[in-house]
Amino acid sequence: LAKTTQPISMDSYEGQEVNITCSHNNIATNDYITWYQQFPSQGPRFIIQGYKTKVTNEVASLFIPADRKSSTLSLPRVSLSDTAVYYCLVGDMYSSASKIIFGSGTRLSIRP
Amino acid sequence: SAVISQKPSRDICQRGTSLTIQCQVDSQVTMMFWYRQQPGQSLTLIATANQGSEATYESGFVIDKFPISRPNLTFSTLTVSNMSPEDSSIYLCSVGDTRSYEQYFGPGTRLTVT
Repeated sequence: LAKTTQPISMDSYEGQEVNITCSHNNIATNDYITWYQQFPSQGPRFIIQGYKTKVTNEVASLFIPADRKSSTLSLPRVSLSDTAVYYCLVGDMYSSASKIIFGSGTRLSIRP
Repeated sequence: SAVISQKPSRDICQRGTSLTIQCQVDSQVTMMFWYRQQPGQSLTLIATANQGSEATYESGFVIDKFPISRPNLTFSTLTVSNMSPEDSSIYLCSVGDTRSYEQYFGPGTRLTVT
């Protein structure tokens, strides 16, 4: 069972780059790593997903080392609207042998 | 992407009663999921609801307590049965995108049991 561990909270300032790391020591071969963002009173929203190495989209980058036991979500030049809870998720929704497990979440606070 | 709606958005219920939560998707999807999120906590998967087959429940969740229906590819219901205050939580449904591993989440149903 690929349990994930994230920092409970992080603080940063507008315009800074923020890196949130998630540990998943027991990740399975078929598991993907996905990050979600959640604002209060809303369902989580997909940010980015990867299997290995680096993935980049218009919102964030995801760095995954070769052993895949951790991953780092990188948010460039954050703004106040990036204040939210960020969840790391490991699993393969299409595999009955894999469990979809959300991390504890990192509460990111951005200050002016 | 998919647009997901849930009904009701919130409810306050008496202990011992049951509540059925509806999840409607604007497109046909194969996989639907039901999660529970207790205040200030992360999401916990309750079950996977696939059309045409019985739902698959995660450890700690049983069909008698959380019966699920999936009558077609755009709709599912989750019933919280014989409720107790410990069932007070936010219940979310999500759908999986077969072209990727993304999930799209509904807005959630906030349940309070008194």
